[in-house]
Amino acid sequence: GQQVMQIPQYQHVQEGEDFTTYCNSSTTLSNIQWYKQRPGGHPVFLIQLVKSGEVKKQKRLTFQFGEAKKNSSLHITATQTTDVGTYFCAGASGNTGKLIFGQGTTLQVKP
Amino acid sequence: DAGITQSPRHKVTETGTPVTLRCHQTENHRYMYWYRQDPGHGLRLIHYSYGVKDTDKGEVSDGYSVSRSKTEDFLLTLESATSSQTSVYFCAISESQIQETQYFGPGTRLLVL
Repeated sequence: GQQVMQIPQYQHVQEGEDFTTYCNSSTTLSNIQWYKQRPGGHPVFLIQLVKSGEVKKQKRLTFQFGEAKKNSSLHITATQTTDVGTYFCAGASGNTGKLIFGQGTTLQVKP
Repeated sequence: DAGITQSPRHKVTETGTPVTLRCHQTENHRYMYWYRQDPGHGLRLIHYSYGVKDTDKGEVSDGYSVSRSKTEDFLLTLESATSSQTSVYFCAISESQIQETQYFGPGTRLLVL
């Protein structure tokens, strides 16, 4: 069945360093969504990308959707301690529309 | 945050006992979902509902059943809990399409001894 793989699983950075997490799907996606889960919290929607090659920015966060609509990335510039948490990508299957979540990337930021 | 509540928030139970988790929404959204979250596995879909009395299986549905008798409530039942069902369970909702943005409840921590 459809799989969404996310790497890395964990990332420790010094505050001020950049961070990137990557998401790859085994099938073409109709859209991809990103969520953030703070420690002890629940996933919270960040953004949705729909178009091939789309790039969206939210302050220090940059989201990209690949040309083939099978991969995506989230890049955080100059991390802050408030960025700590687990970032999930979720791809919507082009066939069923169901969202398949990646395993998540847990970001730790050392002050 | 969207109006989603889950009850109970924490539960400890013994192997072999039935357990029911409740998700309640005040958003009148069509779709409701149950996920489990385990280290290294992310969020895995158990069951979902696309309307009253309309449900379908997700990728890890074995050992779980669901019911939706009202738009606002979605129940997840573990017929006979096992230790492998120890997890954090999240309910989520989306407005009208299965691929839309999902809004998550606060979660239920279940420990099966």
